[in-house]
Amino acid sequence: EVQLVQSGAEVKKPGKSLKISCKVSGYSFTTSWIGWVRQMPGKGLEWMGIIYPGDSDIRYSPSFQGQVTLSVDKSISTAYLQWSSLKASDTAMYYCARLLGQHYFQNWGQGTLVTVSS
Amino acid sequence: ENVLTQSPGTLSLSPGERATLSCRASQSVSSSYLAWYQQKPGQAPRLLIYGTSSRATGIPDRFSGSESGTDFTLTISRLEPEDFAVYYCQQYGSSLTWTFGQGTKVEIK
Repeated sequence: EVQLVQSGAEVKKPGKSLKISCKVSGYSFTTSWIGWVRQMPGKGLEWMGIIYPGDSDIRYSPSFQGQVTLSVDKSISTAYLQWSSLKASDTAMYYCARLLGQHYFQNWGQGTLVTVSS
Repeated sequence: ENVLTQSPGTLSLSPGERATLSCRASQSVSSSYLAWYQQKPGQAPRLLIYGTSSRATGIPDRFSGSESGTDFTLTISRLEPEDFAVYYCQQYGSSLTWTFGQGTKVEIK
């Protein structure tokens, strides 16, 4: 069974750094793209970026380029999303998802709620 | 940037009724690259339909997808209580970009 298990909720102050994780199991980690999707409170879904664990090829949405960093650790089948300096507007639920081919978000993590507040 | 516009914003229906959700693209979308997702409160989205009309694993056949030019449709033939949720369309575009529509909420009338 394919599973994506994300790290727990975070509460951070503005300006702090954060790295959240997405641990996958049930398939070969290096053979499928992993995407990250933001959902702000009460809002819709926004694609942030995708990474191919096999060679760490990354594509960022123009809206998130320079704002976040994607990475992976193949040794533990885990993908990461990180911020160097959080803003209140980063408050949202963040989902990781395994892509079907390059086109669709097939399997989803349960989400990580990030709250940024002073 | 290809913008996906979903309509209506909210659909109020009763169990057993037919639901028709629309997703219109501002530019041409390959039918191979249009998907629909369902999201229930407090849950992650779930892939329902990909490639415009192919059901994802485990999705019941009351869900179907179709297209007409740049207009894509998700139809739920007979609403079950568990189908009341928010539905998003998504397209894969050129240069490795992905876009979601703003969502349609299907609520109990």
